[in-house]
Amino acid sequence: SYVLTQPPSVSVAPGKTARITCGGNNIGSKSVHWYQQTPGQAPVLVIHYDVDRPSGIPERFSGSKSGNTATLTISRVEAGDEADYYCQVWDSSSDHYVFGTGTKVTVL
Amino acid sequence: EVQLVESGGGLVKPGGSLRLSCAASGFTFSSHSMTWVRQAPGKGLEWVSSISSRSTYIYYADSVRGRFTISRDNAKDSLFLQMNSLRAEDTAVYYCARKPCSGGSCYDDYWGQGTLVTVSS
Repeated sequence: SYVLTQPPSVSVAPGKTARITCGGNNIGSKSVHWYQQTPGQAPVLVIHYDVDRPSGIPERFSGSKSGNTATLTISRVEAGDEADYYCQVWDSSSDHYVFGTGTKVTVL
Repeated sequence: EVQLVESGGGLVKPGGSLRLSCAASGFTFSSHSMTWVRQAPGKGLEWVSSISSRSTYIYYADSVRGRFTISRDNAKDSLFLQMNSLRAEDTAVYYCARKPCSGGSCYDDYWGQGTLVTVSS
């Protein structure tokens, strides 16, 4: 089955930049979506189709992809960005949606 | 305003059944694919099942195929998940989400607040 690998945790100081990676075989050929989840809350879509930001999501959130890795970048990190982040793709070979393992972002 | 409200969760014994519902409002339900995603306590997100707008395409995770059935009633703007032969590992918060699609790829743009399913004797 298709696997998306994320680092378990990322720590960043306020005002700095956080980068969360999502690795998967041939991910370059897939559309990657990113979700933010704060404790006790439902996930929120922050990036879709690799780089597109839904309305209401700050410009500080951006997505990119290179080789077998997709990256969610949070610029000028704020305390409110502390959350779990998940990547997601559609694996057409298995007709399955797949979530990444999740990354906990801690703001120092 | 898009709203998704799940219901039907609760405590059930192993081997038992439960039917989850998701009431949708604020958008044209019949035009959108929908999905169920679950999250076990302290764990990550796990995709469960998805259904296209007219129920033409239905997909299941391997962990639930043969035990869970997704369905929808477009006349009542409702999504369902019939869960049979429940196991302890099915214990989770179950979310429904709207799933817009374009170019063969879909994402989950609106989520409900979730309903807790606990499978325990």
